[in-house]
Amino acid sequence: KQEVTQIPAALSVPEGENLVLNCSFTDSAIYNLQWFRQDPGKGLTSLLLIQSSQREQTSGRLNASLDKSSGRSTLYIAASQPGDSATYLCAVRPADDTDKLIFGTGTRLQVFP
Amino acid sequence: NAGVTQTPKFQVLKTGQSMTLQCAQDMNHEYMSWYRQDPGMGLRLIHYSVGAGITDQGEVPNGYNVSRSTTEDFPLRLLSAAPSQTSVYFCASSYSNTGYGYTFGSGTRLTVV
Repeated sequence: KQEVTQIPAALSVPEGENLVLNCSFTDSAIYNLQWFRQDPGKGLTSLLLIQSSQREQTSGRLNASLDKSSGRSTLYIAASQPGDSATYLCAVRPADDTDKLIFGTGTRLQVFP
Repeated sequence: NAGVTQTPKFQVLKTGQSMTLQCAQDMNHEYMSWYRQDPGMGLRLIHYSVGAGITDQGEVPNGYNVSRSTTEDFPLRLLSAAPSQTSVYFCASSYSNTGYGYTFGSGTRLTVV
């Protein structure tokens, strides 16, 4: 059974720091992986989607990498800002069941001025 | 504004009552899904639909029913509410099951007493 783990569960950093959020999954047979952002009391917003054949995707200050063989993905946030404070979730889509999306429990990020 | 609309935003039910959580999207997305989010457990898939008239079970379907009579609407029915169904419920839609254009509603916070 696919399991997705995110470490750390919470992170607090000063503004301007570059930071890395980690996501690991137990079964490397994935179709793709997505990173989402969730603000308190709100729904999720899709940030980046990486296909299983890709190594990384970039959007602005965000860069997500994927190492499928080792079951790892990282989300790199450059020059963090207080507005980046949110919970970040990763989710994998199994290769043999693309109708399903399996989520990690998230990393709660706080960026203080 | 285009997006996924969920109603109600908050609901308190008594054990044994029934209710329907509404979800509507105006993006002509074929794929729609329902998740529940519980503390420390991430989001778990309840039911999903790949098009009008087609539904299937996710990871935690027991106690919930769905139907998809139109492309736009995907209601979630609780037949006999139980305290274990206290959770935040999210509806999501996308162009297909591969994740592109994945859009979440703002959620329904349900408490069963």
